[in-house]
Amino acid sequence: RKEVEQDPGPFNVPEGATVAFNCTYSNSASQSFFWYRQDCRKEPKLLMSVYSSGNEDGRFTAQLNRASQYISLLIRDSKLSDSATYLCVVINYNAGNMLTFGGGTRLMVKP
Amino acid sequence: DVKVTQSSRYLVKRTGEKVFLECVQDMDHENMFWYRQDPGLGLRLIYFSYDVKMKEKGDIPEGYSVSREKKERFSLILESASTNQTSMYLCASSPYSGTNEKLFFGSGTQLSVL
Repeated sequence: RKEVEQDPGPFNVPEGATVAFNCTYSNSASQSFFWYRQDCRKEPKLLMSVYSSGNEDGRFTAQLNRASQYISLLIRDSKLSDSATYLCVVINYNAGNMLTFGGGTRLMVKP
Repeated sequence: DVKVTQSSRYLVKRTGEKVFLECVQDMDHENMFWYRQDPGLGLRLIYFSYDVKMKEKGDIPEGYSVSREKKERFSLILESASTNQTSMYLCASSPYSGTNEKLFFGSGTQLSVL
């Protein structure tokens, strides 16, 4: 079983739709969580951290469920420019502070 | 603005060749990393370095080595390239914070080994 798993998609949604992705992690010792965004043929960039109480950044909401070991990303009012691959990332500080990446979920927003 | 530069965007090499992938960062970051990215497998850590002349193995170091002679430069070396090393290679850096939460990536090198 992969340490961090994501549905690869693609998720095809119309502009203006709300879309959500989940990411599950297997190591209960994971301590920090992030979403990175990767545009086609570009490098990944940090989108947002995920806090225990949930957090928002504009149209993006991230949530963490430690009991079920998953994090989620919700995008409201999707824009064409949201089309990208979203990478889930976890860190276990007891294991060298390395980031473990999921395989990514591809989102395609259509006009 | 933060910048991580990888020397080549596309590279084609033959099996058995020695391959050097260069990465330079201009942010005075302590930490540097080499990942490879393959469809469905995500990013996998090959090697990393927390300081000049220091290197640590990541999750998939076999077939690779690295060099960090200067703080700003981290090189990945494929001693004898093989077809299963065809991949997108991404270099990244982060400031020393003990957590590596925010990585700054280069734009990647797509390596094809024929």
